[in-house]
Amino acid sequence: AQSVAQPEDQVNVAEGNPLTVKCTYSVSGNPYLFWYVQYPNRGLQFLLKYITGDNLVKGSYGFEAEFNKSQTSFHLKKPSALVSDSALYFCAVRDSGDSFNKFYFGSGTKLNVKP
Amino acid sequence: EAGVTQFPSHSVIEKGQTVTLRCDPISGHDNLYWYRRVMGKEIKFLLHFVKESKQDESGMPNNRFLAERTGGTYSTLKVQPAELEDSGVYFCASSQVRGTGELFFGEGSRLTVL
Repeated sequence: AQSVAQPEDQVNVAEGNPLTVKCTYSVSGNPYLFWYVQYPNRGLQFLLKYITGDNLVKGSYGFEAEFNKSQTSFHLKKPSALVSDSALYFCAVRDSGDSFNKFYFGSGTKLNVKP
Repeated sequence: EAGVTQFPSHSVIEKGQTVTLRCDPISGHDNLYWYRRVMGKEIKFLLHFVKESKQDESGMPNNRFLAERTGGTYSTLKVQPAELEDSGVYFCASSQVRGTGELFFGEGSRLTVL
């Protein structure tokens, strides 16, 4: 069965420090992996995705994520956090062989960036 | 280009009442999805339309939930009668094609059942 785990409910980091938001997944076939961000009272915004190719993918607002097949992980990273990065982050996966295009989401990680 | 819009943004109803949520997808997007997030938990799939047809409704909790997409444009999700456990945020998303494309989400409709 397909699933996503975000082991941390909350991540706290000081502005200017690097940040990591963890995500591990489980799929039957090859994964397509996504990160979304939700700011307060807003919808989910797409950040980046891994489909194939280079394991390190770069996305919006300076975020990047690294696909690690052996560890079934897709951690979100940023070299230098901004206060404005504070938001709720969701990892999602879908099975490349799923014709229904069903996405599976994690429970979300709240990122707090303090000045 | 207008994004995915949802209405209402917040609805408070009593147990046993009926609520209808509406979603207008991005123009031209044949694929429309409903998801739900209950407090603090994962965002769960409810169902998927391709144009006006239900492609997959395996995530619908029970027969108190009815989704429609007449004409293949906007969609409605009706909960009747509402129960306490139906409280949560209902997200609508759309996409142009299936495959490697990402979903585009609305801002969600928060439902509170008292």
